[in-house]
Order: sequence, then C-alpha cells, then structure tokens
Amino acid sequence: QKEVEQDPGPLSVPEGAIVSLNCTYSNSAFQYFMWYRQYSRKGPELLMYTYSSGNKEDGRFTAQVDKSSKYISLFIRDSQPSDSATYLCAMSAWGGANNLFFGTGTRLTVIP
Amino acid sequence: NAGVTQTPKFQVLKTGQSMTLQCAQDMNHNSMYWYRQDPGMGLRLIYYSASEGTTDKGEVPNGYNVSRLNKREFSLRLESAAPSQTSVYFCASSELQGTGETQYFGPGTRLLVL
Repeated sequence: QKEVEQDPGPLSVPEGAIVSLNCTYSNSAFQYFMWYRQYSRKGPELLMYTYSSGNKEDGRFTAQVDKSSKYISLFIRDSQPSDSATYLCAMSAWGGANNLFFGTGTRLTVIP
Repeated sequence: NAGVTQTPKFQVLKTGQSMTLQCAQDMNHNSMYWYRQDPGMGLRLIYYSASEGTTDKGEVPNGYNVSRLNKREFSLRLESAAPSQTSVYFCASSELQGTGETQYFGPGTRLLVL
C-alpha cells in the first residue's frame, strides 16, 4: 500500500464550478500537509500548507484535513481556466522537507 | 530573484554516457534537494543536502551522485546512464517557515536515455 493515494483524474469541470481534490494516507504520524500546483512542463509550486487537522482558506482555495479519516482535500471555488494544472498533495510526519511523501497528482482542466 | 534555476532544460543521452545536472538557488536557503518525477510514481527524493558540505540519500539514490558545491549550488551526476533513468528531474531548496519547511522547485530537466 502506498503511503499516499491520490486519484490521478483527469478531472474536467466548467468554469465557475467548485472543484474538490482529495488524498488519503495510511501513516497516522503525518501532521504536515501540503498542496502543490504544477503547470505543464513547470516545477511544482506550493499552494497551501496546513499543520494538523482543520481548515485553511486562502482566497478561492480551501485546504481541509481530517486526521481521524486520514483524508485531506483541496477545494477550489469559482474555478478559472488558469487553475488548469496538476495538483499534488504531500505530507510528512515532522515538517522536514527531506521526508515528504507525495501523491501522484490529479490533472485538472477548467473549461471556459 | 531568479529562485531555483536548472540546466540543461532537456538532454538526450545514450546508455552508458555520463552527465551532470546543475542547480542553483539565490534565496540563501540551507537545504537543497533532487527529485525525479515519473508518471504514476509521483515525486521521489534522490538526494538532499541539509547544509553546505553535507549530503544524504533519499528514497532512490542508486545510480546517482551529488555534490553540494557551495550554499547556492547542488549538482546531480549520472555516471553511467540507463534507460530507467529517463525522467524529469527537479531541484528544490527550502526554508523553515513557522512549524515546517517550505520547498521551492526549479523548472525541471527532462532527460531521455536511449
């Protein structure tokens, strides 16, 4: 079983839709959770960073962590064509970047 | 501020050839990393360097060597390339922010080994 599971998609939605992206994990020690956005032929860029359980909001993006279910989500409201990218989840037990476990990524297309 | 830069952007090698991938960051970060990204596998850590003069193996170090030349530069060397090393390679650096480290990635090097 992989440490982190992520549905690869692809996911296509119309502009303005609410998008839900999800990851599940098996290691209950994970406490640090990240979402990266990766445009085609570019490097990943950090979108959201949360510690432990709960929600974090940043503009149209909301990251949600449910440690009891070992499940994290990224919600995108009012999706835009510029949100079309691959979204990677990542997590670690102690916050160090040398011990990150990445999901395989979900490819999202927002159709104008 | 260029952030993290990588050269070359794209490279084709024949099996058995060697090459060095270059990475530099101008953010004064202590820690640097090399990852490979393959379809269906996600990002996997090859090597990392917590500070100038130190390097450590990651999840998939076999077939690679690294050099932390100074605080800015971290290179990845393939001594004898194999087709299994066909991948996209990303360099990253990180800084401590709040309770955890935040990574910044370069644009990647696409490597094809024939």
